[in-house]
Amino acid sequence: ETGVTQSPTHLIKTRGQQVTLRCSSQSGHNTVSWYQQALGQGPQFIFQYYREEENGRGNFPPRFSGLQFPNYSSELNVNALELDDSALYLCASSPDGGGTDTQYFGPGTRLTVL
Amino acid sequence: ELKVEQNPLFLSMQEGKNYTIYCNYSTTSDRLYWYRQDPGKSLESLFVLLSNGAVKQEGRLMASLDTKARLSTLHITAAVHDLSATYFCALNTNAGKSTFGDGTTLTVKP
Repeated sequence: ETGVTQSPTHLIKTRGQQVTLRCSSQSGHNTVSWYQQALGQGPQFIFQYYREEENGRGNFPPRFSGLQFPNYSSELNVNALELDDSALYLCASSPDGGGTDTQYFGPGTRLTVL
Repeated sequence: ELKVEQNPLFLSMQEGKNYTIYCNYSTTSDRLYWYRQDPGKSLESLFVLLSNGAVKQEGRLMASLDTKARLSTLHITAAVHDLSATYFCALNTNAGKSTFGDGTTLTVKP
């Protein structure tokens, strides 16, 4: 158990809809990163937040956005869902600001877009 | 752009045998991570390698890092069925972005 939780566990949406995924980091972990893992592939970095500010972004379009809150929770929002957005979404928290410490991954949210 | 390549991508081995998974990367990085992922599960951190020549061992797994060759290895000794999983290496850039390899799916057969 890493102490990182995610909700919901599974989610089914249709193309064009919007979705919000939630993550609760370990207390004291100021950095949270979000990843998309398509079936059979490694996780792809979406973005990272440190103390409620975006601190790095991968090659994902602006319809992927995030928020981090003072209570160590965070959200990943995806607008205008596409079929290719179907994947496992993982959040990971770490205690320092540079994201260079060990990351602790949550169990993930499995998103299916029909 | 940082690229991380793992090989092999699939590995089937018998219990009791030894094997090595390789992780090559394209730019300098001072932190390399190895993770394990069981089917349908999240990622479990195995090792963090921080410097050239670093070696870490946990049970039947040993990881090493050669920053000059831009190579890390994960060596499996006397494999057992419980080691069956997908293993990922990953590197962090200074921006805190983690780049993962495509993973090596290991199947250990009796």
